[in-house]
Amino acid sequence: QKEVEQDPGPLSVPEGAIVSLNCTYSNSAFQYFMWYRQYSRKGPELLMYTYSSGNKEDGRFTAQVDKSSKYISLFIRDSQPSDSATYLCAMSGGGSGNTGKLIFGQGTTLQVKP
Amino acid sequence: EAGVTQSPTHLIKTRGQQATLRCSPISGHTSVYWYQQALGLGLQFLLWYDEGEERNRGNFPPRFSGRQFPNYSSELNVNALELEDSALYLCASSFPNSQETQYFGPGTRLLVL
Repeated sequence: QKEVEQDPGPLSVPEGAIVSLNCTYSNSAFQYFMWYRQYSRKGPELLMYTYSSGNKEDGRFTAQVDKSSKYISLFIRDSQPSDSATYLCAMSGGGSGNTGKLIFGQGTTLQVKP
Repeated sequence: EAGVTQSPTHLIKTRGQQATLRCSPISGHTSVYWYQQALGLGLQFLLWYDEGEERNRGNFPPRFSGRQFPNYSSELNVNALELEDSALYLCASSFPNSQETQYFGPGTRLLVL
């Protein structure tokens, strides 16, 4: 079993839709949860960063972490064609367990159709 | 502010050769990380350098090595190239003690023939 599971999609939605992207994980030591966006043939871009459980909002993006269920989500409101990309979740441990290593999901490919 | 830069953008080598990839971090960042993104395998952690020292390495053979220079730039060397080393190699950087917020460069696409 992989440490981080993410549905690869592809996910296709019409412009203006609310998009929900999700990851599950098995390692309860994870404390930091990130979402990256990667356009084709580019490097990943850090979108959101959350510590422990809770919600975080930034413009059209909302990240949620439920540590009790080992489940994280990224919501995109009023989706735009420019949001079409691969979305990667990433996680790492905290405290004395810092290793510099981010554990990534496989990525979900999103297409927003005009 | 300039982001993480990597060179070259593309590299073509043959089996058995050596490849050298370079990375310049964001100004003020002292930690540099290397990841491999191979088709179907996702991003895999390779190496972490901080203050010139290797702090951690992922599950890769010793022919993957690197170093960090006094100006915090970094080099990844891959010796005895194999076909399966073909991948996008990504460099990321972060502030000290902020390993959770890693900012990535555009990557070097390595093709081994």
